[in-house]
Amino acid sequence: DAKTTQPPSMDCAEGRAANLPCNHSTISGNEYVYWYRQIHSQGPQYIIHGLKNNETNEMASLIITEDRKSSTLILPHATLRDTAVYYCIVAVSGNTPLVFGKGTRLSVIA
Amino acid sequence: KAGVTQTPRYLIKTRGQQVTLSCSPISGHRSVSWYQQTPGQGLQFLFEYFSETQRNKGNFPGRFSGRQFSNSRSEMNVSTLELGDSALYLCASSLTLQGFGGSPLHFGNGTRLTVT
Repeated sequence: DAKTTQPPSMDCAEGRAANLPCNHSTISGNEYVYWYRQIHSQGPQYIIHGLKNNETNEMASLIITEDRKSSTLILPHATLRDTAVYYCIVAVSGNTPLVFGKGTRLSVIA
Repeated sequence: KAGVTQTPRYLIKTRGQQVTLSCSPISGHRSVSWYQQTPGQGLQFLFEYFSETQRNKGNFPGRFSGRQFSNSRSEMNVSTLELGDSALYLCASSLTLQGFGGSPLHFGNGTRLTVT
């Protein structure tokens, strides 16, 4: 079973920041937080991951709370092409396979 | 750099037949994982191969099998197909074992299998 809790759906206006929350209250010290997204009819796309510190790349920012029990994925300027299902996953390094939950269906609205 | 390539993209088979799906990982990636995606069950892990050895296996019957070649390319086979095997089969590669040291998975666009 997935170790994360995400809202089933969210809307975001085009051009605004999309903030996708994820709860992982049972996370262990050696578990990473990964974010993927899946656009219809395509394979999941890796977005970003982190262990303790906040991370940023060309796609998004990942904010992890100090106690590591929750995180937020931030898409700074959402576009219509960001409409997808977003998955938040926690996994132990190199030990267990990634388990995908139901994710959050993000709809970016013009 | 080329991404993960899966062939064929679409496949239609009849119950009782067998099928082989192919996956070419990103150059330099040594681990290949397979997932099954259905509307009802979502993404479910099948197995992971690293250095030609199966390292992890999901909760699927023995009809589902796989292998990895010395060049890291992988195939998965499903024998005695059932209607419930209709799904999107996704292959993903990573530099090392899935998630090791934070190494993320990179997915292909899948093979859509329809069993009639």
